[in-house]
Amino acid sequence: ETGVTQSPTHLIKTRGQQVTLRCSSQSGHNTVSWYQQALGQGPQFIFQYYREEENGRGNFPPRFSGLQFPNYSSELNVNALELDDSALYLCASSLGDRDTPWANVLTFGAGSRLTVL
Amino acid sequence: GDSVTQMEGPVTLSEEAFLTINCTYTATGYPSLFWYVQYPGEGLQLLLKATKADDKGSNKGFEATYRKETTSFHLEKGSVQVSDSAVYFCALKKAAGNKLTFGGGTRVLVKP
Repeated sequence: ETGVTQSPTHLIKTRGQQVTLRCSSQSGHNTVSWYQQALGQGPQFIFQYYREEENGRGNFPPRFSGLQFPNYSSELNVNALELDDSALYLCASSLGDRDTPWANVLTFGAGSRLTVL
Repeated sequence: GDSVTQMEGPVTLSEEAFLTINCTYTATGYPSLFWYVQYPGEGLQLLLKATKADDKGSNKGFEATYRKETTSFHLEKGSVQVSDSAVYFCALKKAAGNKLTFGGGTRVLVKP
């Protein structure tokens, strides 16, 4: 089975631009979570999607938005980029059910490293 | 709010040395506790977990015991190898939550 794949692996943007990061879930998984990992820090929860609906959000502004598609792949969109958005963005998938969409262990991708100049 | 505190690194060891990485947490209720490992250029991999007090998680020679009385989940390995060089993250998840709360990570460097 394939794991979680993310694209692009690296990208550079300038302040004020917009970026879209993509994630393909592990086969059979229906829940996707996104995390931001600043350099030298632990990952911070951005949001989670379960069956195409947002199912929880961390302390991030609305310019961070996401989508989950019927095949359970996902996108993270960030508008009006700021210098502090420079980080490694991690996608993680898992298999959940209606009552506990977050229940199972997360499988992480290798991440997309975003640099904002 | 919930939080996880880990000892700061880097931790530098010789091969076959004993490794301990301290982790303490603050959370209401009874969270599940995890250790993740991140090798250079890779994503996070689950190393071990424990879901209730006094549970011991173990994998690949690593162990950690869920201590509710001290709100701790220290990671140990009796004899490290060069291949154990990585960043280790302690994390918690609340029973009714949908996110992992991570500590800041501890970089471990094992020298031959």
